[in-house]
Amino acid sequence: NAGVMQNPRHLVRRRGQEARLRCSPMKGHSHVYWYRQLPEEGLKFMVYLQKENIIDESGMPKERFSAEFPKEGPSILRIQQVVRGDSAAYFCASSPSGQPGGYTFGSGTRLTVV
Amino acid sequence: GQQLNQSPQSMFIQEGEDVSMNCTSSSIFNTWLWYKQEPGEGPVLLIALYKAGELTSNGRLTAQFGITRKDSFLNISASIPSDVGIYFCAGQPGEGSSNTGKLIFGQGTTLQVKP
Repeated sequence: NAGVMQNPRHLVRRRGQEARLRCSPMKGHSHVYWYRQLPEEGLKFMVYLQKENIIDESGMPKERFSAEFPKEGPSILRIQQVVRGDSAAYFCASSPSGQPGGYTFGSGTRLTVV
Repeated sequence: GQQLNQSPQSMFIQEGEDVSMNCTSSSIFNTWLWYKQEPGEGPVLLIALYKAGELTSNGRLTAQFGITRKDSFLNISASIPSDVGIYFCAGQPGEGSSNTGKLIFGQGTTLQVKP
């Protein structure tokens, strides 16, 4: 029973490029959360999705960031025209029920913008 | 917005010592969770607390959900070298918030254990 799979583990992008981060939830989990972690800080909520629906995007920057969780395939966090300040670790968590006690986090994608 | 204040920021202790860390907030939380994060990995859930006053143990770890719903603590007894890592508290916001399951995280407590 594989855990939450995130790829790539490390991603390097030049300023202005696009970054695509993928998250495959655990089998049977239909709730996906994305969090961002800056160095030496706690995780900050970005967005909560269920299949084909964005439920809560209150933590997403208004511009350049988008997320989707299609009917088939992984959830995608997309950052357009990356800037140095986007460098961070991005974690995905999945849950069977939408309750935080049931979260399982992936190992994250570390984005570096050069 | 809602924030969690976690302390201490870091601890350097001798193997065998007990450890205590806590989180406080000015807002009410419905759920308190404690996670451990090791380098290069995602957080791993240690203990989940769902009711005010609840005291829960997981091996050498004990955590409590404060009676006011605004704080929680985590104790680790008889620390061992593999306890090294960053410990985060996290809470699900309470009244006035939609129940979407999102979490607010503390800033973390870095624990180092000297053998």
